[in-house]
Amino acid sequence: QLQLLEAGPGLIKPSETLSLTCSVSGGSIRDGNYVWGWIRQPPGKGLEWIGTIHYSGNTYYNPSLKSRLTISVDTSKNQFSLQLSSVTAADTAVYFCARHPNGHMDVWGQGTMVTVSS
Amino acid sequence: QSALTQPASVSGSPGQSITISCTGTSSDVGGYNTVAWHQQHPGKAPKLMIYDVNQRPSGVSNRFSGSKSANTASLTISGLLADDEADYFCSSFTSSITYVFGTGTKVTVL
Repeated sequence: QLQLLEAGPGLIKPSETLSLTCSVSGGSIRDGNYVWGWIRQPPGKGLEWIGTIHYSGNTYYNPSLKSRLTISVDTSKNQFSLQLSSVTAADTAVYFCARHPNGHMDVWGQGTMVTVSS
Repeated sequence: QSALTQPASVSGSPGQSITISCTGTSSDVGGYNTVAWHQQHPGKAPKLMIYDVNQRPSGVSNRFSGSKSANTASLTISGLLADDEADYFCSSFTSSITYVFGTGTKVTVL
């Protein structure tokens, strides 16, 4: 069955750029029935949608993060990635990747904790 | 975009039914039949329980049901079980071609 697995640095310093990758297994990221997204959850808080990408490269971003955000896809590796620049402590969160069939997220990765601290 | 509004907590005894509300606007909940509900146990990833307002994914118990009226969606859990104790988040597609989540509801089984 489809599985998603996030990979990232764990700890990053303020003002640096956060890079995360989501590897997709058990299915193809080129399936046009789906888009692929990132969601985060600060400790003890709710979920925040970050952005979404189609395998063609079309992207949709949360307006509050758009100026710092880049989401890309590598179909040859069946992966998609997130880059968030100029991070601050407010970006500390568990970051999830997920598949979106049509207006919702149906398969989630296990999540990766990212801490922004000097 | 503002988060959808959910009650902070809802509780019930085993076997009872509870309902969680999710209030948005005509630009999200009221405008699209894309409301979904996700269950999250502590330290775990969210799990899809309801999509497209009232559809259950394969493998999800029929004790979980969803509905919508105007700008408010609802999740009902009937025959409450101890394992239903978790956080629940609603989500919706929006007219800005974005997604928005609810503030989250902690369900406690007394």
